[in-house]
Amino acid sequence: DAMVIQNPRYQVTQFGKPVTLSCSQTLNHNVMYWYQQKSSQAPKLLFHYYDKDFNNEADTPDNFQSRRPNTSFCFLDIRSPGLGDTAMYLCATRWGGAVEADTQYFGPGTRLTVL
Amino acid sequence: DQQVKQNSPSLSVQEGRISILNCDYTNSMFDYFLWYKKYPAEGPTFLISISSIKDKNEDGRFTVFLNKSAKHLSLHIVPSQPGDSAVYFCAASIGGATNKLIFGTGTLLAVQP
Repeated sequence: DAMVIQNPRYQVTQFGKPVTLSCSQTLNHNVMYWYQQKSSQAPKLLFHYYDKDFNNEADTPDNFQSRRPNTSFCFLDIRSPGLGDTAMYLCATRWGGAVEADTQYFGPGTRLTVL
Repeated sequence: DQQVKQNSPSLSVQEGRISILNCDYTNSMFDYFLWYKKYPAEGPTFLISISSIKDKNEDGRFTVFLNKSAKHLSLHIVPSQPGDSAVYFCAASIGGATNKLIFGTGTLLAVQP
């Protein structure tokens, strides 16, 4: 089945130790998103790629970076995680070519804990 | 500032009855609204949407109502089934589904057998 896959599902890291979260998709969608969802809060968009074009949200900390080496894969790099970065990180994809655009398809998320 | 609000963190309903989940928004520029459902250990999945040119959209047991003057939308599930137990997120965007989605904090629905 076509899907959005996130690895790892759970990640524990130490304060300040860089961490990379992975997202892959078999949907061949050209738009990929990264969201951060803290406990009891709404998912919050960090950035997205439209094809190779990177779009950063204004309030996304510089500590968060992303890479998209090809259509299928997208990575979230947290350079120096702080305790406040403990959250669920959701990847989503969408086909962005049509007027009536498709909705976003989400992966299961990576639960990151910073100790 | 939370532009999309789901003020009920949880809701419990008997099987077969109606479930009504509510969502309020503050930005009058929002013109497209969506509901997502999320089961534990899974990502949110799209459920139903509505454009601001409509006040109602129906899909099987699910109906979304939009009251633009009150900046309020609601999701009705009739009849509710135990498999509907999940977290429901309301989301809104400006300029249609192609654009940035602003999510609410979610409502946990429990449908009791």
